[in-house]
Amino acid sequence: TQLLEQSPQFLSIQEGENLTVYCNSSSVFSSLQWYRQEPGEGPVLLVTVVTGGEVKKLKRLTFQFGDARKDSSLHITAAQPGDTGLYLCAVLKNSGNTPLVFGKGTRLSVIA
Amino acid sequence: GAGVSQSPSNKVTEKGKDVELRCDPISGHTALYWYRQSLGQGLEFLIYFQGNSAPDKSGLPSDRFSAERTGGSVSTLTIQRTQQEDSAVYLCASSLAGHNNSPLHFGNGTRLTVT
Repeated sequence: TQLLEQSPQFLSIQEGENLTVYCNSSSVFSSLQWYRQEPGEGPVLLVTVVTGGEVKKLKRLTFQFGDARKDSSLHITAAQPGDTGLYLCAVLKNSGNTPLVFGKGTRLSVIA
Repeated sequence: GAGVSQSPSNKVTEKGKDVELRCDPISGHTALYWYRQSLGQGLEFLIYFQGNSAPDKSGLPSDRFSAERTGGSVSTLTIQRTQQEDSAVYLCASSLAGHNNSPLHFGNGTRLTVT
């Protein structure tokens, strides 16, 4: 069973459209991270959310941590071809000394 | 550059052969991780080094996999007697202080193909 479920698995949209992707779990986490991975490269950290209900903005990207700290969403406004990539959420499985666990990701393609 | 460097970027090997993958972390980062990324499977944790502590090997899929980190810097992941199911992208990451909220800085990975 996956600790983190990401949806949708694939998403193809036109430039200028808005979209939301989700990261869900039945577990509670102290924090959650979002990464973006472009083809042929390693994932790059976008944001860390730590407080239930927290909203963080990064230009056209808006990240929200659920009130219960079990889930998160990423909303992109007016998507651009440069937003294309694999979006991964990640959490610490347990508090303390454990490595990051990643979801399988949402593969986004923005068509010009 | 100042990022995590992995070599080789691509490796094709025959089933049964041994392979070594190398990772140069960011200078000063005490934590080093190896992950494996297979098609459609996300990132699978393999092993974690933190300073001089014993490594966390809990993610290694079999005893054919091993890793070492010499002098607290460069790390080598070794796969013995490779199998076709070992084909994947092997990603190395380093962080300043290990777990908690220290961000991971990834290299571009080694794409391993076992024929």
